[in-house]
Formats: sequence, C-alpha cells, structure tokens
Amino acid sequence: KAGVTQTPRYLIKTRGQQVTLSCSPISGHRSVSWYQQTPGQGLQFLFEYFSETQRNKGNFPGRFSGRQFSNSRSEMNVSTLELGDSALYLCASSLDRTLGELFFGEGSRLTVL
Amino acid sequence: AQKITQTQPGMFVQEKEAVTLDCTYDTSDQSYGLFWYKQPSSGEMIFLIYQGSYDEQNATEGRYSLNFQKARKSANLVISASQLGDSAMYFCAMRDANFGNEKLTFGTGTRLTIIP
Repeated sequence: KAGVTQTPRYLIKTRGQQVTLSCSPISGHRSVSWYQQTPGQGLQFLFEYFSETQRNKGNFPGRFSGRQFSNSRSEMNVSTLELGDSALYLCASSLDRTLGELFFGEGSRLTVL
Repeated sequence: AQKITQTQPGMFVQEKEAVTLDCTYDTSDQSYGLFWYKQPSSGEMIFLIYQGSYDEQNATEGRYSLNFQKARKSANLVISASQLGDSAMYFCAMRDANFGNEKLTFGTGTRLTIIP
C-alpha cells in the first residue's frame, strides 16, 4: 500500500516568487492536511481539506492557500515568498470521521533566498 | 485550546535500555486522540502509536507502548530495548474529536540519541 507522496522533495525559490507543492494521500483517505515545520515555530497546522472543501484553517496569512481535487490529491500554494517561509512542509492523510492514525509524507523542503 | 508539553528537549540512552519520553496534554474535550511520531533527520514523520481517550487499555505497537494516565493528562511513550535506529526526534501530538477538526497540535519534541 503506497504511503503519502509529496512532490517536490526539495526546492529553492527567491523572495517574491510563488510555489506550489503537491500531496497524494494514501488510497482511500479523503482528508488531507498540511503542516509547516520550522526550527523556531515547530510544527504548525496550515489547513485541512476533505472532499474538495477546506474544513479547517490555521493562523497563516492569505498568501498560503490550498485546494483538493476530486481524487483527494491536494496542492498548497504560497505566493509572494518571504525568507520566513523557508520550512519543511508536511502533508498528512487520514480516513475521515475517526480518531485513528494520521499518516505523513516525507515533506517538501522549501528554501527561500 | 489544546496544548501539548514535552519537557525533555534531549535524551541520551544506552543501547538496549528502555526509554520513556514524557508528554502531558491539556484539553477541555472529553473525546480526543493522542499520537506519537518519530522524525529522523530525513524529515519524514513516522507514525508510531495512537491512543484514544476512551480506550481503556494502553496502546502497544511492537517495541512501543503508550503509558496513558488520563487523570494526570499524561501520555508517555515507552520504547523497550532501544536500538541505534531509534535515534531521532519524537513528537507527541493531540487531535480532538470534533467533526471536521482534523488538526493536530504538536509538542516541541524530544531529541533521542541512542549510545552504542
């Protein structure tokens, strides 16, 4: 059974650019959530999608956005990149309506120069 | 608001010894879930173990067990017979049971180093 797949794994951008990260959840999982991990702030929740609808949103500026497609794959976009956006972006998937396991991908490591 | 506290920034443990990683939580919810994840230097968050607030027995997964003390709001991870490959960051996390709230709240993590 394939796990959560995130692409790209590594990327370098410059300030002001935008970036799109992709996440394919485990087959059958309909909930996809995104987290940002930085040394200073730790792991912070960005947003969560289920059935193409954003159900939850963390405390991030509007430059951070996302979407989910009908096959449950999700993308997140960060516009007008800032140095502080350099982070590991982790995607997680789970079966909905359960308190069971939540599985993460390997992450996309973004460096903003 | 939910909060997870991990008071051990780093731990050094001799190989083959058991290790306990501390985690306390704060929530006003009656129904919630507690998780432990391992994050090696590669960055992937590896799911280790899960405990539901209504589960009467402590969760176990191979060498991992979760010492769940609900009244004390404690959810410590116990790793038996530690191995060199256990060296990593370990995160405790919580999720509440409200529908539509798949958000995890994480602790600050414990860096575990296994010494040969």
